[in-house]
Amino acid sequence: DIVMTQSPDSLAVSLGERATINCKSSQSVLYSPNSKNYLAWYQQKPGQPPKLLFYWSSSRESGVPDRFSGSGSGTDFTLTISSLQAGDVAVYYCHQYYSRPWTFGQGTKVEIK
Amino acid sequence: QLQLQESGPGLVKSSETLSLTCTVSGGSISNDNSYWGWVRQAPGKGLEWIGDIYWRGHTYYNPSVKSRVSSSVDTSNNQFSLSLTSVTAADTAVYYCARRYYDTLTGQTHYFDHWGQGTLVAVSS
Repeated sequence: DIVMTQSPDSLAVSLGERATINCKSSQSVLYSPNSKNYLAWYQQKPGQPPKLLFYWSSSRESGVPDRFSGSGSGTDFTLTISSLQAGDVAVYYCHQYYSRPWTFGQGTKVEIK
Repeated sequence: QLQLQESGPGLVKSSETLSLTCTVSGGSISNDNSYWGWVRQAPGKGLEWIGDIYWRGHTYYNPSVKSRVSSSVDTSNNQFSLSLTSVTAADTAVYYCARRYYDTLTGQTHYFDHWGQGTLVAVSS
């Protein structure tokens, strides 16, 4: 199984400041034939299902604000919120769809400082 | 707009079988570009993939539950179902149904892009 490890487990950021979440996979999720990273990011607010933010590591889902960005390749990935808004308070998960069983990171809780 | 909705009992007795149904609307469950899956989330915990099913019947399950899980598709009602046997307190969770895109050219399934609202199933002793 590919183990996804996120850091930190939680972080508190002031409104308007940058939030950075890291995700590391136990093996590469880069598929060489198409040079795509099989890595997605989700946002989950309390009482709601996960919402897709990014796929292929850095492809933004329609409707996701551009203050969110995804980056990384191979085994190391980052989700960045450039200017934290109150509505961004949530738990964020990375997810690999490179190989079964599909796995998720343990989640990173983002709060307002 | 594709929508998914889980349904089923909110309480199951220990050692019995958990059965859930996901109703798909706004699209056909027989879409060749869709795999239909189940993900669960124990209270206060992270996300765990349970399994996927294709409308033609192909299934994939997480080894962590493979011996206890089965899934089926009902194309006439645009639904798919999950069955989990011999449940214990560890199976208490919110169960989500979701869709993943399936690339028929490459045979690859991709990320989950549509999710149901989830249904809480508690296992009682």
